[in-house]
Amino acid sequence: QKEVEQNSGPLSVPEGAIASLNCTYSDRGSQSFFWYRQYSGKSPELIMSIYSNGDKEDGRFTAQLNKASQYVSLLIRDSQPSDSATYLCAVLPNAGGTSYGKLTFGQGTILTVHP
Amino acid sequence: EAGVAQSPRYKIIEKRQSVAFWCNPISGHATLYWYQQILGQGPKLLIQFQNNGVVDDSQLPKDRFSAERLKGVDSTLKIQPAKLEDSAVYLCASNNHMQGDTEAFFGQGTRLTVV
Repeated sequence: QKEVEQNSGPLSVPEGAIASLNCTYSDRGSQSFFWYRQYSGKSPELIMSIYSNGDKEDGRFTAQLNKASQYVSLLIRDSQPSDSATYLCAVLPNAGGTSYGKLTFGQGTILTVHP
Repeated sequence: EAGVAQSPRYKIIEKRQSVAFWCNPISGHATLYWYQQILGQGPKLLIQFQNNGVVDDSQLPKDRFSAERLKGVDSTLKIQPAKLEDSAVYLCASNNHMQGDTEAFFGQGTRLTVV
């Protein structure tokens, strides 16, 4: 089992729709969860971080975390063509040991928002 | 605040040649990461430094890859000899992880093509 796994995609949604991106992780003790956006040929940029169970909203973006199910998701409301990118889920493991600080990424989901 | 600087942006080499990449992290960031991102995959951590010490190099192919951060600021990543499968984008990132930073700031990356 991969440490961080995302829905394979690619995902295509019409402009104005809700895009839903999903991620599961294997380390039950993980504490910090991130969504990065990566445009083609560019470096990843952080768009959301979440640390507690439940929802966290920032503008059109909502991150959802369920530690019991080891599941984190990102919802993009009112999707725009400018949201077209690869979305990377990343997880920080539990504190302690040599894995502390090792940010582990999923394989990414390509999102295309078409007009 | 200046971001993470990397050079070169692009490099094409023949297999069995050697290559070196340079990274200058954000000023004051003690933690520096090198990631390898193969096309279509998420970034994979190669090595993590805390100041000039190595925290994690468990996924660094040490028979051909080496990295150093002698003065705790700039870092270089070297590949010798390169293989075709080393073709990837090499991303450098930094933060102050031990001071509680969870967001990693990425440079623009170096795209390596091995032919």
